Amino acid sequence: DIVMTQSPLSLSVTPGEPASISCRSSQNLLHRNGNNYLDWYLQKPGQSPQLLIYLGSIRASGVPARFSGSGSGTYFTLRISRVEAEDVGIYYCMQSLLTPKTFGQGTKVEIK
Amino acid sequence: EVQLVESGGGVVQPGGSLRLSCAASGFDFSTYWMTWVRQAPGKGPEWVANIKEDGSETYYVGSLRGRFTISRDNAKNSLYLQMNSLRADDTAMYYCARDGPSPGLPSYDSWGQGTLVTVSS
Repeated sequence: DIVMTQSPLSLSVTPGEPASISCRSSQNLLHRNGNNYLDWYLQKPGQSPQLLIYLGSIRASGVPARFSGSGSGTYFTLRISRVEAEDVGIYYCMQSLLTPKTFGQGTKVEIK
Repeated sequence: EVQLVESGGGVVQPGGSLRLSCAASGFDFSTYWMTWVRQAPGKGPEWVANIKEDGSETYYVGSLRGRFTISRDNAKNSLYLQMNSLRADDTAMYYCARDGPSPGLPSYDSWGQGTLVTVSS
């Protein structure tokens, strides 16, 4: 199975400041069709996970423009340009290339 | 609006069985792959199984193959997970999720609220 490794595991951010989370995969997620099969999800407290970014860099419907995804192959980054209070929760990367899909350990984001 | 509503969770003794259901609405259920994901208390999500649009293909995480069975009834817009020989480490919130955002994409753009399974004597 593909192993996903996130860093950092926790992050404390001042509102209005940027934040960045890294995700590394044990196998190349770049398909021959040119897509990177890497998703980012946010699980807010007491809620189900919600899709933020898919195929490495495409924002899901309704996701604010302050969220962006980048990277290719085995290294990916989620950036929040200006963190807001509603962004608290646990962020997970997930590889969607191969079954079983696998998630990173999660990065807990809190507001200072 | 896409809605996924899980049911069937509860407390079960080790070795017991449960059948989870997921009722789907707001989209053409028969054109999407569907997935079960579970999350043990305080842990990250774990992919469990998925099923093709017409039910002709199913896949499982290796550790669960043989104990869990995913199925669907497109006429009822419903997804199921039959869980047998349950163990304490199967205790988790179980979510159904829709592949998306469009048919054929392997991300999960819609999730249910989850149903809690507790395996305990």
